Amino acid sequence: GAGVSQSPSNKVTEKGKDVELRCDPISGHTALYWYRQRLGQGLEFLIYFQGNSAPDKSGLPSDRFSAERTGESVSTLTIQRTQQEDSAVYLCASSVGAFAGGMDEQFFGPGTRLTVL
Amino acid sequence: QKEVEQDPGPLSVPEGAIVSLNCTYSNSAFQYFMWYRQYSRKGPELLMYTYSSGNKEDGRFTAQVDKSSKYISLFIRDSQPSDSATYLCALPNAGGTSYGKLTFGQGTILTVHP
Repeated sequence: GAGVSQSPSNKVTEKGKDVELRCDPISGHTALYWYRQRLGQGLEFLIYFQGNSAPDKSGLPSDRFSAERTGESVSTLTIQRTQQEDSAVYLCASSVGAFAGGMDEQFFGPGTRLTVL
Repeated sequence: QKEVEQDPGPLSVPEGAIVSLNCTYSNSAFQYFMWYRQYSRKGPELLMYTYSSGNKEDGRFTAQVDKSSKYISLFIRDSQPSDSATYLCALPNAGGTSYGKLTFGQGTILTVHP
């Protein structure tokens, strides 16, 4: 069956440019998460969506980062005026959501590898 | 201090060895304890999870939680080259506005050589 997909798989950009990363969650999953994974590090939480609202944006590193979600579907993470420290793998995950009851497994996409030159 | 601490390794063992991977955490509110496996250039996938304290076994894998010492472990018996991956412990928030948010350890890179 279809899992979480992300595009592009790789993105190389120049410092100062804006980038948009896309996530297509599993159909029917109401919760969607963005994480960042720097080289050799664990995953850092960025933002959580329940439906199209974002109750928790606490992980966004700066106001250059924003995200939106259309209904219970596609989400885009936008990074404006990219910096070299933004280079990382950006991972998206989806889950059944707040009404799952008990443990709510997150399913991850393959990630977008962002390199800022 | 990080909320979840995990030794990044790397860990290299011969095929057939028993592997022990560990994490410590600081927030006693965590109720579920997860282990994710991440192959190179792939997203993490849930390997197994436990609820509260105790052990859980699934084939060659055993997850163990000691809430009194805030210590979680993953044991791999009869390790195989296909087990070579990064193993991440992850603890989800139980509720509130951060429902489901996972706090990850740094990940331990494991290599099992034939």
